[in-house]
Amino acid sequence: DTGVSQDPRHKITKRGQNVTFRCDPISEHNRLYWYRQTLGQGPEFLTYFQNEAQLEKSRLLSDRFSAERPKGSFSTLEIQRTEQGDSAMYLCASSKGVGPGTDTQYFGPGTRLTVL
Amino acid sequence: EDKVVQSPLSLVVHEGDTVTLNCSYEVTNFRSLLWYKQEKKAPTFLFMLTSSGIEKKSGRLSSILDKKELFSILNITATQTGDSAIYLCAVEWADSWGKLQFGAGTQVVVTP
Repeated sequence: DTGVSQDPRHKITKRGQNVTFRCDPISEHNRLYWYRQTLGQGPEFLTYFQNEAQLEKSRLLSDRFSAERPKGSFSTLEIQRTEQGDSAMYLCASSKGVGPGTDTQYFGPGTRLTVL
Repeated sequence: EDKVVQSPLSLVVHEGDTVTLNCSYEVTNFRSLLWYKQEKKAPTFLFMLTSSGIEKKSGRLSSILDKKELFSILNITATQTGDSAIYLCAVEWADSWGKLQFGAGTQVVVTP
C-alpha cells in the first residue's frame, strides 16, 4: 500500500498522560498536514510541513501540542497532559507540493484518540 | 470570519435517485475548492475546482463552481448504496497554500 499511513489507529489514554502519533506520507510528497476531526464536523487544520520545516500552526494548537518532521519524511504529533477535549480523530495528509491551486492532499486513515 | 457551509446536513435517497449537495463559502482570499468523500475512515479526494463555470466530471459524479455567487455543487446521478458517505467541501486560502478549511459535511444515505 503506497498511501498515507498512520499509527496507531486507535489510542485510549487517561487524562494527563502524553501520547504520540506517527504519520508516514506518500513517498516523495514534500508537504505533510495534520488535521483534527470531531464527531459531526469536518477536519480542522492544525499544522503543516514543507519537507522538515513547520510552516504554520493553527491557533487551535495549544502549547501541549507539538509536531515534528525531522528528516522530511515521517512526522509525529505529540500531545502532552491530555485532556478529555483532546478526544478526536487525528488525520494526516500529504501532497506533492507542486503549487497552490493544483496540489491535492491525500489523507491517511486517522488515529482515533479517546481520553478517559 | 471565513466560513464554509454545506447543505443539507444529511439526506436519505433511494438507489437510482439524483443527489445535489451544496457548499457555500465566505472566504476572503479564495484559491480553490475541493470535494472529498469520507466513509468510515480517510477522506478520499473527488474534485478540485479553481475556475467558475467549468464542470468537472468523474463517472456519475460532477461538480461546478460559481465564484461570483461563492458556491459549488456536487451532483451524484443514479445513486448506488456505495455512494453512502459523508461528502466534505473544503476551501484553500489564497494566502496560505494548502491550508484547507472544511465544512461540516453532508451525510448521504442511499437505501436499496
